[in-house]
Amino acid sequence: QSVLTQPPSVSGAPGQRVTISCNGSTSNIGAGYDVHWYQHLPETAPKLLIFGDNIRPSGVPDRFSGSKSGTSASLAITGLQADDEADYFCQSYDSSLNSFVFGPGTKVTAL
Amino acid sequence: QLQLQESGPGLVKPSETLSLTCLVSGGSITSTPYYSNWVRQPPGKGLEWIGTVYSSGTSYCNPSLKSRVTLSVDTSNNQFSLNLRSVTAADTAVYYCARAIVATNTWFDPWGQGILVTVSS
Repeated sequence: QSVLTQPPSVSGAPGQRVTISCNGSTSNIGAGYDVHWYQHLPETAPKLLIFGDNIRPSGVPDRFSGSKSGTSASLAITGLQADDEADYFCQSYDSSLNSFVFGPGTKVTAL
Repeated sequence: QLQLQESGPGLVKPSETLSLTCLVSGGSITSTPYYSNWVRQPPGKGLEWIGTVYSSGTSYCNPSLKSRVTLSVDTSNNQFSLNLRSVTAADTAVYYCARAIVATNTWFDPWGQGILVTVSS
C-alpha cells in the first residue's frame, strides 16, 4: 500500500481540464517536502513533468501545472489531448520512513 | 543529453542474487551535484525507491530492503550497479535506474527504460 494515494483513474473529453490528486500525511507532503510528478507510458522511461511542487522542466507544455496545499498536491492538465493518455504518479520524501515515496499512479483517459 | 540504460538477466531463481547495471551515457556519473538511484515497480503495483549511491560509493537504501541490497559505482566505466540478495517472487518487478540532484527534496530525471526481472525457478 502506497504512502501517497492517488485515484486509480481520471478521464475527460479532449479539451477539458482534469486534475489528479496526491494525498499524503504530516511526514511527507504535510511536512513541507516537495512533490514531483511524472508521466509514464507503457514500456518507456518515466518522464519528469513537474518538480518542486509547481515547476515545469524545459519542454513540458504549460497545459500541465502542479499545486500543493497541506498534506495534498494536485496535477492539472488543461486542454486534454489524446497524447496525454498515460499513467501519472507523484513522488515526495517521507521523514518517518527515511525514504523517497511514490503514489500508485493514475491512468488518464481522453474520452 | 544524459541517457541511462539498465542491463542484466531477466530471470533469476528464488534465493539467488539479482544483479543489474545501469550504464550512463551523454554525461559523467561523477558530475555534481548528482547521485544515482534505483527504483522498481512490481506488476500491478506502485513504484518503490530501492536506494541511492553517490559517485564516492556512499549509499543509502530503503530501510525495507537495506539488509539485502548492495549498491556500487564504477566511475571508470560510467556505470552503477544493484545487487539484491535472497530474492523471492515478491522481487519480480521492472527495475529502473535514474539520476537525481543531491537533496532531500530531490526528483528523478532522467530515467532508464527499465528492465523486467522475473524471479522464478
